Amino acid sequence: NAGVTQTPKFQVLKTGQSMTLQCAQDMNHEYMSWYRQDPGMGLRLIHYSVGAGITDQGEVPNGYNVSRSTTEDFPLRLLSAAPSQTSVYFCASSYLQGAYEQYFGPGTRLTVT
Amino acid sequence: GNSVTQMEGPVTLSEEAFLTINCTYTATGYPSLFWYVQYPGEGLQLLLKATKADDKGSNKGFEATYRKETTSFHLEKGSVQVSDSAVYFCALMRSSGNTGKLIFGQGTTLQVKP
Repeated sequence: NAGVTQTPKFQVLKTGQSMTLQCAQDMNHEYMSWYRQDPGMGLRLIHYSVGAGITDQGEVPNGYNVSRSTTEDFPLRLLSAAPSQTSVYFCASSYLQGAYEQYFGPGTRLTVT
Repeated sequence: GNSVTQMEGPVTLSEEAFLTINCTYTATGYPSLFWYVQYPGEGLQLLLKATKADDKGSNKGFEATYRKETTSFHLEKGSVQVSDSAVYFCALMRSSGNTGKLIFGQGTTLQVKP
């Protein structure tokens, strides 16, 4: 099992550009989520999905879109990048919503200039 | 609202020293509590958990006890190793609504010197 994979590892964008952060898991997990990690603030939930075709907003959803067309994939789209979106992004998955153990990917470090 | 507060880091210790990382929380109801660890260049991994008051979570020599009366979940290890150098996150998950949403503290960096 590869677990949770994320691509790319690093990305630099200019303000206003768009891009998609990829996340995939091979554990047949129903629940997937995206967090951003900022210094001194821990991780904050952006969006989550409880299964294919179902997504919902987390704590800081503005400026991000998600979709879940398959169980395996949960891409995060930045529509028009802003410097405030400079962060490290983590994708996570778990067997079910509310399951105690969540599995995190290695992260994508995004810089917006 | 729900929140988690951890002690400021970095924490620098010599090998074999005793470790305590303080964590307190604010939550309605009876949340589940977690410690996650992030090694350099990697994602977070679950280190231990406790799902009800007075539960003790333990793993790899680390322990934490769910103290409802003090709303705390302090992480301890009796003898740290260089390989324990990492960032440690305390987190809670609400018991009601079954959202799966983790609320994290800000993280505490541990540096262990040989």
